[in-house]
Amino acid sequence: DTGVSQDPRHKITKRGQNVTFRCDPISEHNRLYWYRQTLGQGPEFLTYFQNEAQLEKSRLLSDRFSAERPKGSFSTLEIQRTEQGDSAMYLCASSLGGLSGYQPQHFGDGTRLSIL
Amino acid sequence: ILNVEQSPQSLHVQEGDSTNFTCSFPSSNFYALHWYRWETAKSPEALFVMTLNGDEKKKGRISATLNTKEGYSYLYIKGSQPEDSATYLCAFSNTGNQFYFGTGTSLTVIP
Repeated sequence: DTGVSQDPRHKITKRGQNVTFRCDPISEHNRLYWYRQTLGQGPEFLTYFQNEAQLEKSRLLSDRFSAERPKGSFSTLEIQRTEQGDSAMYLCASSLGGLSGYQPQHFGDGTRLSIL
Repeated sequence: ILNVEQSPQSLHVQEGDSTNFTCSFPSSNFYALHWYRWETAKSPEALFVMTLNGDEKKKGRISATLNTKEGYSYLYIKGSQPEDSATYLCAFSNTGNQFYFGTGTSLTVIP
């Protein structure tokens, strides 16, 4: 079953370090979303891609966060100069195109980031 | 940021009981509402995509209804089983692009 895969599953790093996460969506899906989830909250939208184009980015996202999706395939999310508040689960999801909001999102298992 | 609220926050029911949860969202500019089930140590799994006022969807013992004019959706589980234990999330969109999730309803079914 080639679902959405995320790597790594867990990341522990010291404050101030840079981290990068990878997401491999379902191959025929051209939409890709990144979310952040903290304890007791639902997933919070960070950004989404339609193929290789990053079409929307949350205003809550600081300049320390950047995402790419070269060639419309896998995506990376980088956090620079990590802070304690960045500790969270980072979820990736993909969906088919067309009327994309009408398509269910398929989620990966997430990357859990812990900042020491 | 649009406000999406789910209630109750958590629920404990006996096996065989039927139960329901609520998702409330802004009643203007509706595009779609998604329901997901998130089991511990797994990834969220899509249950329903609801797009039209009055929509009713069903999958086995689980069903959902949608009222876009008043801004709510109900999720029903008939004859709850222990394997239904999970967090149930709703996600609202007014554009089809950005989705706003509620905080979820955590369901525990006691055997």
